[in-house]
Amino acid sequence: GAGVSQSPSNKVTEKGKDVELRCDPISGHTALYWYRQSLGQGLEFLIYFQGNSAPDKSGLPSDRFSAERTGGSVSTLTIQRTQQEDSAVYLCASSLAGSGTQYFGPGTRLTVL
Amino acid sequence: DQQVKQNSPSLSVQEGRISILNCDYTNSMFDYFLWYKKYPAEGPTFLISISSIKDKNEDGRFTVFLNKSAKHLSLHIVPSQPGDSAVYFCAAMIIQGAQKLVFGQGTRLTINP
Repeated sequence: GAGVSQSPSNKVTEKGKDVELRCDPISGHTALYWYRQSLGQGLEFLIYFQGNSAPDKSGLPSDRFSAERTGGSVSTLTIQRTQQEDSAVYLCASSLAGSGTQYFGPGTRLTVL
Repeated sequence: DQQVKQNSPSLSVQEGRISILNCDYTNSMFDYFLWYKKYPAEGPTFLISISSIKDKNEDGRFTVFLNKSAKHLSLHIVPSQPGDSAVYFCAAMIIQGAQKLVFGQGTRLTINP
């Protein structure tokens, strides 16, 4: 079956611009996660959605970052007024609630010039 | 405060031999552990997992061992194949709640012919 998909695969933007990253989880997966991997760093948790519950935003690095999940499926991560330190690969993962195993998309490589 | 550590940034193994990748954690609340494999420009691919109630889990060429008292886990790959060359990430979570993954920094495994 189809895995997690993300778009765009690459995004180059200028400092100060806003960007939107999209994630389509595996059909039927109620849990959705955003992580990012900065250059030379491990993956760090950003935000978690589970069904209709309020998201866990504890990993968002600043208030310039926000995310939403519409209809319990597609999610959009928005970064406002991008900074060079936002350059990273942004990864989305989904899982069946409570299963423990998260399946990742291919990521979006964001470069802020 | 790095809760999951992979102290070897790289490892080289001859084809056909055993590859052993190590991971240490500090948070005793972690009760579910996963290994992911990552190729360049792709998202992490789930390999194998283990619950804290077990000390070993095997799937084909891959075996994960968990030593809770030492807060240590390892991934054994035998026999190693050229296609196993990739970056391997250890990850840990608390199974109750948001199941946010905490990742190690990764170990780059190279299988030499």
